[in-house]
Amino acid sequence: LAKTTQPISMDSYEGQEVNITCSHNNIATNDYITWYQQFPSQGPRFIIQGYKTKVTNEVASLFIPADRKSSTLSLPRVSLSDTAVYYCPDSGNTPLVFGKGTRLSVIA
Amino acid sequence: SAVISQKPSRDICQRGTSLTIQCQVDSQVTMMFWYRQQPGQSLTLIATANQGSEATYESGFVIDKFPISRPNLTFSTLTVSNMSPEDSSIYLCSVKDGTRSNQPQHFGDGTRLSIL
Repeated sequence: LAKTTQPISMDSYEGQEVNITCSHNNIATNDYITWYQQFPSQGPRFIIQGYKTKVTNEVASLFIPADRKSSTLSLPRVSLSDTAVYYCPDSGNTPLVFGKGTRLSVIA
Repeated sequence: SAVISQKPSRDICQRGTSLTIQCQVDSQVTMMFWYRQQPGQSLTLIATANQGSEATYESGFVIDKFPISRPNLTFSTLTVSNMSPEDSSIYLCSVKDGTRSNQPQHFGDGTRLSIL
């Protein structure tokens, strides 16, 4: 069973910033937090990873508080093409255990 | 990151038949896995493909139904045996090079299987 929890779905208008939060209540000291994006008819794509504080790349930012019990994926100025399912799998295991993910729908 | 190719990308099969899915990676990787994703659902791990030995199956999956091979560090196959409509799913190959937590897993685009 997945040990992370996240909202089932979110809606956003184009151009807005979207924040998706994941709970990692059972995270271990050595675990990194990773996020994946999945479009229809494609496999999950790794988008960002972090251990603590803030990480930013060309796709997203990841915010991790000091206690590391949660993480927030931030997508700046979303577009229609950001409509996808976003997963924060339990990375305490190899291989990853996936929960239901968050289905993000971006509306024009 | 590793480039993962799966063949076939999709297929339509008759019930009772078997299909072998191939996963080819463009570089040697430590670990290879097979997942299933049923329509509208999340990913479920089937097994870890071990080089030179029997695969390690998750609860609910058995070798007779999902035989797996991994002859080397770049290739694996998953066979779906004696298929029924309930096996209609996307089957995904995933790899990880190393065992550290900060080494992400990568996924192929899957094989979409429909059983009539």
